[in-house]
Amino acid sequence: RKEVEQDPGPFNVPEGATVAFNCTYSNSASQSFFWYRQDCRKEPKLLMSVYSSGNEDGRFTAQLNRASQYISLLIRDSKLSDSATYLCVVKISSGSARQLTFGSGTQLTVLP
Amino acid sequence: DTAVSQTPKYLVTQMGNDKSIKCEQNLGHDTMYWYKQDSKKFLKIMFSYNNKELIINETVPNRFSPKSPDKAHLNLHINSLELGDSAVYFCASSQLLSYDRNHYEQYFGPGTRLTVT
Repeated sequence: RKEVEQDPGPFNVPEGATVAFNCTYSNSASQSFFWYRQDCRKEPKLLMSVYSSGNEDGRFTAQLNRASQYISLLIRDSKLSDSATYLCVVKISSGSARQLTFGSGTQLTVLP
Repeated sequence: DTAVSQTPKYLVTQMGNDKSIKCEQNLGHDTMYWYKQDSKKFLKIMFSYNNKELIINETVPNRFSPKSPDKAHLNLHINSLELGDSAVYFCASSQLLSYDRNHYEQYFGPGTRLTVT
C-alpha cells in the first residue's frame, strides 16, 4: 500500500465548477499535512497547509480527518489558472529529519 | 533573486557516463533535499542534508552520491548512468519555523530533466 494515495484523475471540469480531491495516508505517525501544486514541467509549490480544524484560503478549502487518515481539498469557482497537478503531502519528523511524503498527484484541467 | 537554483536545467547523456547536478539556495535554510520524479510523476525523496550532515538516505543505488560543501549547496553526482535514471531531479530546501514546529514549507528548484540514452 502506498504511503499517500490519491485519485490520479484526470479531472476535467468547466470554469466555475466546484471540484474536490481526496487523499488517504497510511502512517498514523504523520504529523502535518499539505497540498502542493505542480504546474506542467514546473516545480511543486506549497498551496496550503491542512489544519485539524479545517482551513480555507480564498476559493480553496482543506480538511483533515485524522481518525480516517483522510485529507481533502475543495476548489470552488474553478478558474482556468487552477489547471495543474495537486499533490497531497504528509510530514513525518524523526529527530532532525523532517521528511515529506508525496502522493502521486491528481491532475486537474479546467475547461473554458 | 532565485531562491533555489539548479544547473543544468536539461542534461542528455549516454549510458555509462558520470554526471553532476548542482543546487544552491539563497534562503538561509538549514536543510536541503534531492528528489526524483519519474515518468509517472511520482516524487520520491532521495537524500536530505541538515547543516551539511546527511540525515535522510533513502534506498537509492550507491551510484548516486550527494555532496554538501556548505549549507547553501547540495550537489548530486551520478556514476555509470543507466536508462532508468532518466527522470526530473528536484532540489529543495526548508527551514523549520521555530514558532510553529508543525508548519514548514519546502522550496523547490526548477528541476533538472535528465535523459539517458
